[in-house]
Amino acid sequence: DTGVSQDPRHKITKRGQNVTFRCDPISEHNRLYWYRQTLGQGPEFLTYFQNEAQLEKSRLLSDRFSAERPKGSFSTLEIQRTEQGDSAMYLCASSLAHQRNTGELFFGEGSRLTVL
Amino acid sequence: GEDVEQSLFLSVREGDSSVINCTYTDSSSTYLYWYKQEPGAGLQLLTYIFSNMDMKQDQRLTVLLNKKDKHLSLRIADTQTGDSAIYFCARVDRGSTLGRLYFGRGTQLTVWP
Repeated sequence: DTGVSQDPRHKITKRGQNVTFRCDPISEHNRLYWYRQTLGQGPEFLTYFQNEAQLEKSRLLSDRFSAERPKGSFSTLEIQRTEQGDSAMYLCASSLAHQRNTGELFFGEGSRLTVL
Repeated sequence: GEDVEQSLFLSVREGDSSVINCTYTDSSSTYLYWYKQEPGAGLQLLTYIFSNMDMKQDQRLTVLLNKKDKHLSLRIADTQTGDSAIYFCARVDRGSTLGRLYFGRGTQLTVWP
């Protein structure tokens, strides 16, 4: 399978704990995005990377959130001191920088976080 | 979702046409997209339209864009039970990073046999 893969698919944690999600994009894609989707809402942009450089961050990405893409391939999203409001589906997507100039994103199946 | 609005639910009978509507407020939108989300699966791009187009047709899908009214619609002809899913309208701003999308809340399409 050469699609975007995310791990773990579901994480249940207690408030105050740290969690980390991993995303493996489609191998030739140089752009990687993180989105968050809460129940009944559409996905909301968090951040994106071009290769290893983090080029843009949303104001939704508080100081407790950090994302990395150290070698320009896989990415991790860490949430420190989780809060119940962090409960959501965290979506990763990838694309080529000039995907036929259409901006098509290829999404993974998401990592669902439940904070108790 | 930065002022992208969709109705939440639509039910149709198999074989009928479905029309999913979307409105947006920012006239600087360049690309507009329709993504499909099935249970347990990632979002999948169905189709897109550039802001200088009025219509785009792709097999059973027809996208209409009314820039004056900032209204986008997706028509699915001969709707099948396999079309049951959540459909998201999304846009990207002019000058913004392609891939930084603003999504609506999604329309849950239910197709009855």
